[in-house]
Amino acid sequence: DAKTTQPTSMDCAEGRAANLPCNHSTISGNEYVYWYRQIHSQGPQYIIHGLKNNETNEMASLIITEDRKSSTLILPHATLRDTAVYYCIVRGITTSGTYKYIFGTGTRLKVLA
Amino acid sequence: KAGVTQTPRYLIKTRGQQVTLSCSPISGHRSVSWYQQTPGQGLQFLFEYFSETQRNKGNFPGRFSGRQFSNSRSEMNVSTLELGDSALYLCASSLGGENEKLFFGSGTQLSVL
Repeated sequence: DAKTTQPTSMDCAEGRAANLPCNHSTISGNEYVYWYRQIHSQGPQYIIHGLKNNETNEMASLIITEDRKSSTLILPHATLRDTAVYYCIVRGITTSGTYKYIFGTGTRLKVLA
Repeated sequence: KAGVTQTPRYLIKTRGQQVTLSCSPISGHRSVSWYQQTPGQGLQFLFEYFSETQRNKGNFPGRFSGRQFSNSRSEMNVSTLELGDSALYLCASSLGGENEKLFFGSGTQLSVL
């Protein structure tokens, strides 16, 4: 199973872009990169996902390197409400053909006023 | 559309007891997966059910079991509780396909005394 490595914590000034890196050097060709975030005492919330192309939605942008060994989640204008733990996850197919998410330990992002 | 509902929200049990947690997925979602979250181990995958069949399982002992009903509602059972089972148990639902995102409930906080 592909593993992910993320920095333990990061700070970002309110209004600035938050760039959260993730390393997934053992990712396979058919495995997707997903990002979720978890605000204290709530369930994780989906942010964005991609396979090999960069993706953008109303919440964030996902930049995946050409070799797919790493990615960066970009929150373009961070607000205090973006303070959360951000998980980079690789979703892969098991040998039996089913799907499984592997959650890393996440990055604790603190947005500072 | 109603979100994923988990009951109860909080639970206190003693060692040796058993516990059943419930999860109602988003209407139309056929996949329900369960996760255990602890401060030390992070989010760990327990198992996934799709159309009443377990189609994937994590590395947890047999004391952890689950099932899914015809209406896609799922239950998770832990028998012979141990202190280390104290955790936030999260349930997530999805349509179950290859490129799907998970929708999480708020979890059940289990404390084993």
